[in-house]
Amino acid sequence: AQKITQTQPGMFVQEKEAVTLDCTYDTSDQSYGLFWYKQPSSGEMIFLIYQGSYDEQNATEGRYSLNFQKARKSANLVISASQLGDSAMYFCAMRGFIQGAQKLVFGQGTRLTINP
Amino acid sequence: DTGVSQDPRHKITKRGQNVTFRCDPISEHNRLYWYRQTLGQGPEFLTYFQNEAQLEKSRLLSDRFSAERPKGSFSTLEIQRTEQGDSAMYLCASSSLGGRDEQYFGPGTRLTVT
Repeated sequence: AQKITQTQPGMFVQEKEAVTLDCTYDTSDQSYGLFWYKQPSSGEMIFLIYQGSYDEQNATEGRYSLNFQKARKSANLVISASQLGDSAMYFCAMRGFIQGAQKLVFGQGTRLTINP
Repeated sequence: DTGVSQDPRHKITKRGQNVTFRCDPISEHNRLYWYRQTLGQGPEFLTYFQNEAQLEKSRLLSDRFSAERPKGSFSTLEIQRTEQGDSAMYLCASSSLGGRDEQYFGPGTRLTVT
């Protein structure tokens, strides 16, 4: 079974600082994908970034980067130069690629608050 | 590209009533998913369609829950004889076959059972 663990219930950072949100995962699959989503107070889940298990380089999307350490089974999200609009819940998720395993398994999330 | 839409956005119902939610995926996406999210938790998978075929169901999907995607486009999720424990946000997502297959979510339907 796949499992995602996010150990930080809440994070508080000053605007313009960088922030790292932790995510560890557990799976017996050799091929899998890791995702980060942002959920503002409006409720919609917004896709941020993806890392494939065979990708050799860490994924980056604008101010978002994923620090992927396969041996440690961690996939931390780094947000550079945080902005007030980054305040939201952040969820780490994974998906296997064996046939039939199309669902995303989510962690419990981290609530990020950016202070002005 | 209009994104994933869900209707209604909010539903308040009395215990024992039936409710139905609708999801319209991104038009070119052939995969559609339903998730449920309770307060303070991450979304939990309910069921998944590829085109009109329902290929995977969670054990969370009790006999009171049924989902359809009759023509491989929009989908409906029906809950019969609602219970207070059904109160949650119901999220729909869609994706296209191939590649990294990231799922794009709709705004959700918040159900409150009184």
